[in-house]
Amino acid sequence: RKEVEQDPGPFNVPEGATVAFNCTYSNSASQSFFWYRQDCRKEPKLLMSVYSSGNEDGRFTAQLNRASQYISLLIRDSKLSDSATYLCVVNSAGNNRKLIWGLGTSLAVNP
Amino acid sequence: GAGVSQSPSNKVTEKGKDVELRCDPISGHTALYWYRQSLGQGLEFLIYFQGNSAPDKSGLPSDRFSAERTGGSVSTLTIQRTQQEDSAVYLCASSLDPTRNEQFFGPGTRLTVL
Repeated sequence: RKEVEQDPGPFNVPEGATVAFNCTYSNSASQSFFWYRQDCRKEPKLLMSVYSSGNEDGRFTAQLNRASQYISLLIRDSKLSDSATYLCVVNSAGNNRKLIWGLGTSLAVNP
Repeated sequence: GAGVSQSPSNKVTEKGKDVELRCDPISGHTALYWYRQSLGQGLEFLIYFQGNSAPDKSGLPSDRFSAERTGGSVSTLTIQRTQQEDSAVYLCASSLDPTRNEQFFGPGTRLTVL
């Protein structure tokens, strides 16, 4: 089993739709969780950290489920500019300094 | 403020040559990371520097790869005797808080080995 697994997609949704991505991680001792977005041929950019209590930033909501070892990202009212690859990132258990990166979920928001 | 900068943005070299890639982290960030990303692949951890501690080199793929960080700021990744499989985008990231470890990336160096 991979340490961090994501559905690669692509997810094709119309503008204004709500879309959700899940990500599973293998090591229950992981403590830090993040969502990054990466545009084509660009560097990853931090979208949001994921806290135990869940957190929201505008149209984006992240949730953590430790019991089932998954994190989720919900995007409401999708915009064309949301089209990107969304990377799930989890710290390496036993070494908080090292992050394990998922391969990403591709989202295309269509007019 | 200024973000992470990397140079060069693109590098084309011939197999067997040495290359040096540079990263200038965000001012005040104590942690610095090097990754590489091949086309359509995920990020591969290479090396990590934290303050004055010994670097974590566990991700370096071979002894042809080395990195140093001078004065706790600028870092240089050196690849000796480049091979075609070294072709990738090399990304540098820095982090202010090693506990939270939110990493901020530079634009990367696209290395092509002919």
